[in-house]
Amino acid sequence: EAGVVQSPRYKIIEKKQPVAFWCNPISGHNTLYWYRQNLGQGPELLIRYENEEAVDDSQLPKDRFSAERLKGVDSTLKIQPAELGDSAVYLCASNTRGGTDTQYFGPGTRLTVL
Amino acid sequence: DQQVKQNSPSLSVQEGRISILNCDYTNSMFDYFLWYKKYPAEGPTFLISISSIKDKNEDGRFTVFLNKSAKHLSLHIVPSQPGDSAVYFCAASDPGNTPLVFGKGTRLSVIA
Repeated sequence: EAGVVQSPRYKIIEKKQPVAFWCNPISGHNTLYWYRQNLGQGPELLIRYENEEAVDDSQLPKDRFSAERLKGVDSTLKIQPAELGDSAVYLCASNTRGGTDTQYFGPGTRLTVL
Repeated sequence: DQQVKQNSPSLSVQEGRISILNCDYTNSMFDYFLWYKKYPAEGPTFLISISSIKDKNEDGRFTVFLNKSAKHLSLHIVPSQPGDSAVYFCAASDPGNTPLVFGKGTRLSVIA
């Protein structure tokens, strides 16, 4: 069974530039999560989707971040414009039905903003 | 304010010995706890979990102990192997289907 796929794995951009990350969850997983992990910290949730509906986006900085999950499968997380403080690893995770169901993480995208 | 705390950033253990990783939490509503392991350049992978109705859960070399009165849990790895060298994250959730809250992680190094 294929795991959670993320691309790109690494991205380096100048500040004020836009950037987008893509995630393909495990087949059949209805719940999809985007996390941000800063250096030396644990992952922090940005947004959670149940199918195509964003059910928890309280931690998403909506002035510059946006996300979508069209058709309830793949998801894209966008930052526009990027700031120096956005440098982090962006992790995507999925599970079948949210709650305490085990979350499976992708390898992450390491973003560096110069 | 950190609701899940892993106060030891790193731990070194000899191969074959026991590794004990600790985690404290402040939110008394947390009722489900997990440990994830993370290798460099990979995402976290689920290791073991425990519900608040239990005080111990065992899976092979890995055992998690929960002390609800102290709001403390620990992960024991016996015997430790070099392949266990990774960053270990403690995470917790409450019954309200709210997001997992992660600690900052503990880097375990198992020395051959």
